[in-house]
Amino acid sequence: NAGVMQNPRHLVRRRGQEARLRCSPMKGHSHVYWYRQLPEEGLKFMVYLQKENIIDESGMPKERFSAEFPKEGPSILRIQQVVRGDSAAYFCASSPYSGPRDTGELFFGEGSRLTVL
Amino acid sequence: AQTVTQSQPEMSVQEAETVTLSCTYDTSENNYYLFWYKQPPSRQMILVIRQEAYKQQNATENRFSVNFQKAAKSFSLKISDSQLGDTAMYFCAFMIYMDSNYQLIWGAGTKLIIKP
Repeated sequence: NAGVMQNPRHLVRRRGQEARLRCSPMKGHSHVYWYRQLPEEGLKFMVYLQKENIIDESGMPKERFSAEFPKEGPSILRIQQVVRGDSAAYFCASSPYSGPRDTGELFFGEGSRLTVL
Repeated sequence: AQTVTQSQPEMSVQEAETVTLSCTYDTSENNYYLFWYKQPPSRQMILVIRQEAYKQQNATENRFSVNFQKAAKSFSLKISDSQLGDTAMYFCAFMIYMDSNYQLIWGAGTKLIIKP
């Protein structure tokens, strides 16, 4: 059973370009979380999605950032018109269809490192 | 407000020694999960140990154990017989169910260095 898959692992963009980060949750998982990690800091919650629904986007910047989790395919975190401050590691985590309450555990991908030049 | 505090930004011990990482948290919720995650240089987040708040018995996973003091809202991690591979950032976190979804609150992390 493959784990949470994120791609690309590394992405370099110039200021003003768009960045798209993908996350395929573990098989059987329908809850996806996106986190951002700045250097030497912990994880900051961005958005929580279930299939075709955004449940909580309270951690997402109001502009330029969007996320989706379609019925088919991976979850996408999209950053438009990137700026240097967007440089960070973006982690995706998933939990089973019942949510993490059964085990309380989230399963993390290896992260996508975005560098904005 | 829900917060997690890790008061030790960095710690360093010799291989085979025992080390304890501290974590305190603040929540008004009564039911929650507590976690320690490890992030090695590869930067992948790896679950080390988990504790349900309603359980009084401290969780143990091989060389890793916790000291959970619910009244004091303290959740420290003890690593026995430390190994070079334990070198990593360690994050304490707790999860609550609030506003119809699960929220995972993270500490800022402790950088642990195991010296040969």
